[in-house]
Amino acid sequence: DQQVKQNSPSLSVQEGRISILNCDYTNSMFDYFLWYKKYPAEGPTFLISISSIKDKNEDGRFTVFLNKSAKHLSLHIVPSQPGDSAVYFCAASGPGGGADGLTFGKGTHLIIQP
Amino acid sequence: ETGVTQTPRHLVMGMTNKKSLKCEQHLGHNAMYWYKQSAKKPLELMFVYSLEERVENNSVPSRFSPECPNSSHLFLHLHTLQPEDSALYLCASSQDGRANSIGTLHFGNGTRLTVT
Repeated sequence: DQQVKQNSPSLSVQEGRISILNCDYTNSMFDYFLWYKKYPAEGPTFLISISSIKDKNEDGRFTVFLNKSAKHLSLHIVPSQPGDSAVYFCAASGPGGGADGLTFGKGTHLIIQP
Repeated sequence: ETGVTQTPRHLVMGMTNKKSLKCEQHLGHNAMYWYKQSAKKPLELMFVYSLEERVENNSVPSRFSPECPNSSHLFLHLHTLQPEDSALYLCASSQDGRANSIGTLHFGNGTRLTVT
């Protein structure tokens, strides 16, 4: 049973517009959430994170929103740029982080159209 | 070199072969991980080592055998694999084994494994 779900395998957005990637989770014990970005032939790289005590975290063009009651988070990229084309993974971790790594979603392939 | 380095980048092996994947981190972290990425599946955690001791083994078949001789090196020994084990194997490291610590998980570029 998937605890972290990214229901959109792919998303196509025009350059300059906003990209919104969604993620849902089922485990209410998750208290820290991260987004990773992955280019082909490379490992995932950390993009942005949010703690469950917050509902928004912003870093430049990237903003992550967390809705704990809905167990939903989203990543907003604005404006979208061609270099943003990649696979984006949502990930979650339990209380205190712990030594058990992260639980990942399947990823969403974002394609930025020129 | 900096970051997390994995070798080889690509590996093709038969079901009766024995091979090893290598991972090295130059970040001064003290936790290392093996993840498996299969097509259309989430990244799956296989093994976690914190301070060189294994702390997690997510019911991985015994044909996968990890080894962590020190905090900078991690190996994944492979033997009698099955074709369904073909996947991208990713190594990662973090500080204190905590995902919400500074720097969180740092991944290598992975080893693309094909079992024939």
